[in-house]
Amino acid sequence: QSALTQPASVSGSPGQSITISCTGTSSDVGVYNYVSWYQQHPGKAPKLMIYEVSNRPSGVSNRFSGSKSGNTASLTISGLQAEDEADYYCSSYTRSSPYVFGTGTKVTVL
Amino acid sequence: EEQLVESGGGLVQPGGSLRLSCAASRFTFSFSWMHWVRQAPGKGLVWVSRISGDGSITSYADSVKGRFTVSRDNAKNTLYLQMNSLRAEDTAVYYCAREKEDYSRAFDYWGQGSLVTVSS
Repeated sequence: QSALTQPASVSGSPGQSITISCTGTSSDVGVYNYVSWYQQHPGKAPKLMIYEVSNRPSGVSNRFSGSKSGNTASLTISGLQAEDEADYYCSSYTRSSPYVFGTGTKVTVL
Repeated sequence: EEQLVESGGGLVQPGGSLRLSCAASRFTFSFSWMHWVRQAPGKGLVWVSRISGDGSITSYADSVKGRFTVSRDNAKNTLYLQMNSLRAEDTAVYYCAREKEDYSRAFDYWGQGSLVTVSS
């Protein structure tokens, strides 16, 4: 099972919006709505930010939103803040593995 | 708040064995699917293994199948990962994680991670 494809890096200025893509296949992202997103600060454990494509766990800022179209899921961060600077990973349930993570995206706040 | 605490990591020679533990608290452990996820130094997250709440169902990534065994002791609220025939490429921080109880296939609580280094 190959990792889902994410851009290596995305950057934006404070207050701007950025979007991170997560491209899979018809065996994972394209067929299941079990796409989740995780934020990871250096040296820390991952934190769940979005589950089932677009749902936010309690306590996660509404500046984070998720969507999906075909084989590609997306995470949008609105009103970018310095504390959003971190690595972000998508994950999907799959027909085989049964889970696969994305390659990871480093978000930089300029 | 739910808590997961890993232990058992360390330095081991290639071909050696190690057992990781993950102690759970503040939630009904026996109801939860539990997972192991690893992260090699400077690399991304990789799913490793999972086990059902009653321990009857297990799954593994192809890279560890036949070498790693996941188990749990619900009386002790503890998850385990027995790692045998370790290779250099198994070097990573290993996280235990709980799958959300609503079957949404997401991991809502994570341990702090346990570093396993395979080197001679």
